[in-house]
Amino acid sequence: GNSVTQMEGPVTLSEEAFLTINCTYTATGYPSLFWYVQYPGEGLQLLLKATKADDKGSNKGFEATYRKETTSFHLEKGSVQVSDSAVYFCARIYTGGFKTIFGAGTRLFVKA
Amino acid sequence: SQTIHQWPATLVQPVGSPLSLECTVEGTSNPNLYWYRQAAGRGLQLLFYSVGIGQISSEVPQNLSASRPQDRQFILSSKKLLLSDSGFYLCAWSEGNRDSPLHFGNGTRLTVT
Repeated sequence: GNSVTQMEGPVTLSEEAFLTINCTYTATGYPSLFWYVQYPGEGLQLLLKATKADDKGSNKGFEATYRKETTSFHLEKGSVQVSDSAVYFCARIYTGGFKTIFGAGTRLFVKA
Repeated sequence: SQTIHQWPATLVQPVGSPLSLECTVEGTSNPNLYWYRQAAGRGLQLLFYSVGIGQISSEVPQNLSASRPQDRQFILSSKKLLLSDSGFYLCAWSEGNRDSPLHFGNGTRLTVT
């Protein structure tokens, strides 16, 4: 099937801490993978993407590597800021179609 | 550059009233268009998507319908709102190729009272 599973939140960190948000997908085909971010009261924004195995997407200090062997696409950031507080969604393109499937979202709180 | 406009930003409607939410995209042609709903504190549910004018695919049987009267216009409607229709409605577009990411509007917060 086509599904995405990400770690439940909320995740609470202090400023400058290391962030990891886990994401795994079902191994049907070779989907493109994405991380989106949603700030309060807004729509989602694309954060980064990877289209094939071993690709690393990166943006604004965030990184995620497409791991085919573990069907994972974990989001990482070395030093979070208060402004990174948001909800993060892992997503994949539905195999054989145009639909995007989202994980449930992980809320991140960063304390000063 | 491409932009997406979605309105209104907030809406409070009584149960049984009609609904019309509009979304338009500028700066691209023949986009794929999507309506998602996000219930409070939850993930995104795909409601409808369209790969061309007049073509609508429905993901979840419900009280809502969608139409695409023009290439870059996508409308979400209901004849009679239910309390359960409350939520945050997001319109999005993507390019026609299969690896294209979604670009979202700022959403409409709908409260049915």
